[in-house]
Amino acid sequence: AQSVTQLGSHVSVSEGALVLLRCNYSSSVPPYLFWYVQYPNQGLQLLLKYTSAATLVKGINGFEAEFKKSETSFHLTKPSAHMSDAAEYFCAVSRMDSSYKLIFGSGTRLLVRP
Amino acid sequence: EAGVTQFPSHSVIEKGQTVTLRCDPISGHDNLYWYRRVMGKEIKFLLHFVKESKQDESGMPNNRFLAERTGGTYSTLKVQPAELEDSGVYFCASSQNYSPYTFGSGTRLTVV
Repeated sequence: AQSVTQLGSHVSVSEGALVLLRCNYSSSVPPYLFWYVQYPNQGLQLLLKYTSAATLVKGINGFEAEFKKSETSFHLTKPSAHMSDAAEYFCAVSRMDSSYKLIFGSGTRLLVRP
Repeated sequence: EAGVTQFPSHSVIEKGQTVTLRCDPISGHDNLYWYRRVMGKEIKFLLHFVKESKQDESGMPNNRFLAERTGGTYSTLKVQPAELEDSGVYFCASSQNYSPYTFGSGTRLTVV
């Protein structure tokens, strides 16, 4: 069975500081991994995805994530936080099969302090 | 292209009533998914359509929930009768050829 664990329901950083949102996964088969973001009153937007190509994945808005198989991790980072990054972030895992069903972590709300 | 559209955006109903949520996927997307987030919990899969057929409905919580997808276009999710624990945000998503989903903005359902 697949599962996702996001450490920290809330993360607070200062504007300009490094953003690090943690995600660990469990999967018996090679996974596809995703980060989604939800801004207030909006839907889920894909930030980036890992599909077994390069282990360092670059996404939109300056975010990137590194797939580390030995650590079963897929942490999301951004070198310098901006006020507009305040949102809720979700890590998700999927199998590449006929369903392509996503299993989500519980989400991490990012707060950016001025 | 137009995105995934869901309506209503908000719905408040009394326990025991019926509510129907609608999702219009991106035109041409054969895959349509419903997910739900109950307050404070994870976003969870409900079901998956391929065109008009249910590919996987393993996440449907009980038989009070009925999903349809007429002619492989829009989909509806009916809850009848609604219970308090059905409150949450219902997301719809669509994709083509198993590429990453495009999600709608969700319907926030409150059962009082």
